[in-house]
Amino acid sequence: GAVVSQHPSRVICKSGTSVKIECRSLDFQATTMFWYRQFPKKSLMLMATSNEGSKATYEQGVEKDKFLINHASLTLSTLTVTSAHPEDSSFYICSARVAEGQPQHFGDGTRLSIL
Amino acid sequence: RKEVEQDPGPFNVPEGATVAFNCTYSNSASQSFFWYRQDCRKEPKLLMSVYSSGNEDGRFTAQLNRASQYISLLIRDSKLSDSATYLCVVNRGTNAGKSTFGDGTTLTVKP
Repeated sequence: GAVVSQHPSRVICKSGTSVKIECRSLDFQATTMFWYRQFPKKSLMLMATSNEGSKATYEQGVEKDKFLINHASLTLSTLTVTSAHPEDSSFYICSARVAEGQPQHFGDGTRLSIL
Repeated sequence: RKEVEQDPGPFNVPEGATVAFNCTYSNSASQSFFWYRQDCRKEPKLLMSVYSSGNEDGRFTAQLNRASQYISLLIRDSKLSDSATYLCVVNRGTNAGKSTFGDGTTLTVKP
């Protein structure tokens, strides 16, 4: 149980393109989903917390207009990197959680490369 | 001071060794605790939750010391496949319910 699917797993695109990443909880309803990015050999960095039906809460320093998050249902959250540039290249990982106090379950991650 | 601190290692141990990792947290209101493992270029995977009474899952034992605000992970009879980065995770249990991740401890088990 507790499977989280993230798609796509790998994206390579030109600078200026917007990229949409989907995160789905396959066998449970996730009241909260989280979006992280991770640079090589660095720790996870929380970008935003997404609650179904409400606006995402962004961490300090994360531009909400740059990283658009939509959590339209209890099983789907999307992250759109708008007008991506090379410095946005990173490993983006989502996670989903049933309720507070419960562990997060992670998607496989999306490796984004902007040329 | 970081909210969750781990010894980054690396820990290099031979197969069969017993190895222990510690993790300290600063927020005394923290309510739930977990250990994850992350393999290179992969997503974190839940290893085990940590309960106040301590808990064991095969070769892995997790303990929580609320008074001293630390959690530990003990791995017995290390296998080559245990090589990974181990992440300590602490939940505050507030409305935000965010988890705070440690930076991870790297373990390499050698033949």
